[in-house]
Formats: sequence, C-alpha cells, structure tokens
Amino acid sequence: QVQLVESRGGVVQPGRSLRLSCAASGFTFRTYVMHWVRQAPGKGLEWVALISFDGNNKYYADSVKGRFTISRDNSKNTLYLQMDSLRTEDTAVYYCARETIVAARAHDFWGQGTLVTVSS
Amino acid sequence: AIQLTQSPSSLSASVGDRVTITCRASQGISSALAWYQQKPGRAPKLLIYHASILENGVPSRFSGSGSGTDFTLSISRLQPEDFATYYCQQFNSYPVTFGGGTKVDIK
Repeated sequence: QVQLVESRGGVVQPGRSLRLSCAASGFTFRTYVMHWVRQAPGKGLEWVALISFDGNNKYYADSVKGRFTISRDNSKNTLYLQMDSLRTEDTAVYYCARETIVAARAHDFWGQGTLVTVSS
Repeated sequence: AIQLTQSPSSLSASVGDRVTITCRASQGISSALAWYQQKPGRAPKLLIYHASILENGVPSRFSGSGSGTDFTLSISRLQPEDFATYYCQQFNSYPVTFGGGTKVDIK
C-alpha cells in the first residue's frame, strides 16, 4: 500500500533552518511528481513546492521562493524540503503529497503531516 | 497567480440535504481542478479531479462540474461522515493554488 511518512518537525527559531524528509513506499517513487503542501494552524491549505519525477524541474510558491528548496533522492525513495531563513509565518503542518500519474493532475496520496513551529 | 474563490466559506446543513459548493477561478483553468475533503487533524482526501472525475472509492453522492472559471462540488444526500472542510485546487498554471475552503457543519 502507498505510504508517505514525513520526518518529525519541531520548534525552530526565526532565521534558522530545518530539513524535512518524506519516505515513500508502496509505489514506484521515481515515476511520480511530488509536492509539499502546508497548513498554518486553523487556516487553509497552501501549496509550497513541486519537483518533477527526475528532479530536473522545480516550482515554488512565491511565499517560499529563495528560502525553501525541494529535492529528492530516487535511490532512497525520499523527498526533501530544505527550509532556510524560517519566519514565524512558516509555522504550519507540512504534508508531502503524491501527484496522480494520469494526465489529469491532483494529489492522490498524502502523508500524515508534520508540525513545524517557528518561534523564539 | 490564479486565485480560487470558494463560496460559501461555511454552511450548516442536515443529514440528507443536498449541498453545493462553488469555486471560481480568477482566470480560465480549463478543467484542471481538484476537490478535497479534510477532517480535523487529518490529511486532505482527494474526491474529484479534472473537475468532474470521481476518485476511486469516493461515494457517488459526490459530483463535480464546470470548466473555465466556474466549478461546483455537489453532495447529493449529506451523510454524517461528510461534515468536513472542502477545498478546490487548480493545476492549470504555476503556482498551484487552493481555494480558501468551505466548512460544512451540522445544522
């Protein structure tokens, strides 16, 4: 069965860095586009970034561009999100999500989410 | 960035009611729209993709329609497990964006 398991988040001070990982299993990871989506406490969903199946193409939300970096290691079936220069407004539950392999795009599987709190 | 405006932002309904949620895009997005259901403390669940295609395993009381800028999610006969927050999402262009959500609660 498809599983996406995010690493533990945590509390980090503003301006510091944190790297999240998402371990994938139950499907051929290297053939799927992958995304990060976040949700601030009590707020709606916000798309963060995506990476193509081979890692050659990446796109970011304007709110994180230049600070966050998405990457993947297909040999380890793992997705990453490097978050630098963190701000209090980056506090959220972060989800990794798989994109459907069909031409019609959507997120058909999600991780359980991990809470990142940016606070001094 | 394409903005998605959902309405209403919240609604109260009873079991058995028909519920309709709309999602309006700030520019045309063809049929590149998905709908999700989210319950508190849980990850979102895909309901519909390509505006009207029901995801495998999703009950047939859910349906989606629309193209271009105006889209609709309908629930034909609301069940107790349907009380949740619903989001639309567009994939037509980057950045990918979500609507603000519609919370459906019990009247």
